[in-house]
Amino acid sequence: KAGVTQTPRYLIKTRGQQVTLSCSPISGHRSVSWYQQTPGQGLQFLFEYFSETQRNKGNFPGRFSGRQFSNSRSEMNVSTLELGDSALYLCASSQGDGDGYTFGSGTRLTVV
Amino acid sequence: GENVEQHPSTLSVQEGDSAVIKCTYSDSASNYFPWYKQELGKGPQLIIDIRSNVGEKKDQRIAVTLNKTAKHFSLHITETQPEDSAVYFCAASRRDGANNLFFGTGTRLTVIP
Repeated sequence: KAGVTQTPRYLIKTRGQQVTLSCSPISGHRSVSWYQQTPGQGLQFLFEYFSETQRNKGNFPGRFSGRQFSNSRSEMNVSTLELGDSALYLCASSQGDGDGYTFGSGTRLTVV
Repeated sequence: GENVEQHPSTLSVQEGDSAVIKCTYSDSASNYFPWYKQELGKGPQLIIDIRSNVGEKKDQRIAVTLNKTAKHFSLHITETQPEDSAVYFCAASRRDGANNLFFGTGTRLTVIP
């Protein structure tokens, strides 16, 4: 079966701009979680969506937001980009019972 | 919140030898402990996981052990192969609605042929 698909794979944005990242989960998975991966902070949880509702949120500023559509696809938005937002953004899907997360290959965001 | 510590940060072994990576966690409510392997340019791949009602789980050359009392869990890879070279992450989760994974800082494993 198809895995988790994230688009685009690479993005270069300028400080102050906004960006939208997309994630298509494994068919049948209703939960989508987003993580930020940086060399300094490692893997950090951003938020989780389940059945179009945000179920859990990490400790990130309000510039980071997301949503989930009825087909379980999810988007993540970052507004007013800062240099420190440069990272690999990973999406993980699961059936929603708290285990069995499958990660996508990520979107590499570079802010210049 | 949960704090997961992982050691060592780097590990080099000869092909065929065993590798052990250790993690500790702080939240006694954590009950799910997955291990991920991340290769260059890819996302983390789940290789094995264990729930807190089990002390050990094995899948071919990979095994994970859990000590709930001491709050630590370990990944054991036997008969290592060059393709095992990657960064390995441990994680912990409560699976009670707050399902987010708390990750360790990673171990870069190098298997020398």
